[in-house]
Amino acid sequence: AQSVTQPDIHITVSEGASLELRCNYSYGATPYLFWYVQSPGQGLQLLLKYFSGDTLVQGIKGFEAEFKRSQSSFNLRKPSVHWSDAAEYFCAVGHRTNKLIFGTGTLLAVQP
Amino acid sequence: EADIYQTPRYLVIGTGKKITLECSQTMGHDKMYWYQQDPGMELHLIHYSYGVNSTEKGDLSSESTVSRIRTEHFPLTLESARPSHTSQYLCASSGSAGREWYNEQFFGPGTRLTVL
Repeated sequence: AQSVTQPDIHITVSEGASLELRCNYSYGATPYLFWYVQSPGQGLQLLLKYFSGDTLVQGIKGFEAEFKRSQSSFNLRKPSVHWSDAAEYFCAVGHRTNKLIFGTGTLLAVQP
Repeated sequence: EADIYQTPRYLVIGTGKKITLECSQTMGHDKMYWYQQDPGMELHLIHYSYGVNSTEKGDLSSESTVSRIRTEHFPLTLESARPSHTSQYLCASSGSAGREWYNEQFFGPGTRLTVL
C-alpha cells in the first residue's frame, strides 16, 4: 500500500539557518511527489512537485527538494530560513486516480 | 480571481444538529475533494467527485454525505453531528488540463468544526 512517512513531527531552526525536512514514501510505481505548506488557519499551498526528469526540483519561496529513488526519499530543503516560513509542511504522493496520500506533517518553528 | 472558498471558517455546534459545510470554486475544475484533518495527523480523503452527479467515498470512512449538482459547488453534510466529528475539513479542487493524469489540487482555507 502507498504511504508517506515524515519522521520529524516538530523542528525548530534559527532564522537564517538551513533547513531540511525529511520525507520517505512507499509506492509501487514511479511516484508523483509533492510538498505542501499550511500556515495557521489556512489551507494547503503547493510548494513544489516531482513528476519526472531532473531529480532536483525548485519550488516557490526559495524551497527545493531532491528525489532519491534508491532511498525512497523526497526531502525538502531551504538554504536560509525566514521567520515567515514557520508553518506545517506536508509531503504527499500522488495516486493514479488523482488522489493524494499525505504524511502526518512536520511543524516548523523559527527562532529569531 | 480564480479561487476556492469554504464557509463557515469556524463552527461550534451542539450534538444532534444537522450541518452543511460549503465549498465553492471559481476555476471551472471538474474534480473536487473533501479531506478531514485532525491535529498532528495526516489529511484523509473522505469524499471526492470527478464531475457533476459524480460522488465517491474516500479512503477514510465518514458519516458525512456530499452532493455535486453544480460544477463549482461541493457541499458536505452531517445529518446529526457528534463530538467525534470535531475536526478540520478541507476542500480541494483540480482540473483536467493537459496530458498529465495528475493535476495540482488547490485547497480552500478549511472549516474548523467543533461539536459539543
